[in-house]
Amino acid sequence: DQQVKQNSPSLSVQEGRISILNCDYTNSMFDYFLWYKKYPAEGPTFLISISSIKDKNEDGRFTVFLNKSAKHLSLHIVPSQPGDSAVYFCAASGNQFYFGTGTSLTVIP
Amino acid sequence: NAGVMQNPRHLVRRRGQEARLRCSPMKGHSHVYWYRQLPEEGLKFMVYLQKENIIDESGMPKERFSAEFPKEGPSILRIQQVVRGDSAAYFCASSLDGRATEAFFGQGTRLTVV
Repeated sequence: DQQVKQNSPSLSVQEGRISILNCDYTNSMFDYFLWYKKYPAEGPTFLISISSIKDKNEDGRFTVFLNKSAKHLSLHIVPSQPGDSAVYFCAASGNQFYFGTGTSLTVIP
Repeated sequence: NAGVMQNPRHLVRRRGQEARLRCSPMKGHSHVYWYRQLPEEGLKFMVYLQKENIIDESGMPKERFSAEFPKEGPSILRIQQVVRGDSAAYFCASSLDGRATEAFFGQGTRLTVV
């Protein structure tokens, strides 16, 4: 049972444009959400997080939005850069960390 | 994250052998998680451990797989009698308190069963 879902397995964006990665979850008890970035042959690295008491958190080019009523969060990257090309995992923290299946982002120079 | 150490990075085993994957969490972290990533798939939760305790093993296959996190030393994921389908990247993560904090990942162990 996938409690965190990323329905887009891949996304291609032109350099300089905005990348929007989406994530849905099913458990309303989740109170903390995270995004991880993963390059091939490496472990996921933490990118940005948001508590359920907030609806937005911004860190440089990265912004995470949380819509609790829709059980939806998104990661915005603007402007997108070729070095952002990676797999992005959404995660929710409950009794343990639940991960989505990932979205592979390709930023085209 | 360099703080979580996994070894070996690459492990080749013949069918029927045992595989032992080690994970040393970040200093001060007492919560360890193991995930498996099969080719073309996302991260699948396997087990969540605290020191000397298994908290959640709902993602572990019922047979051949076991995990421990002793009072001293690294966490160990053990796979007995490996089969080709066990070939995957196994990632370990650790966190400070298990909730509302980041989990930091090691670089993973890539297991290949031949």
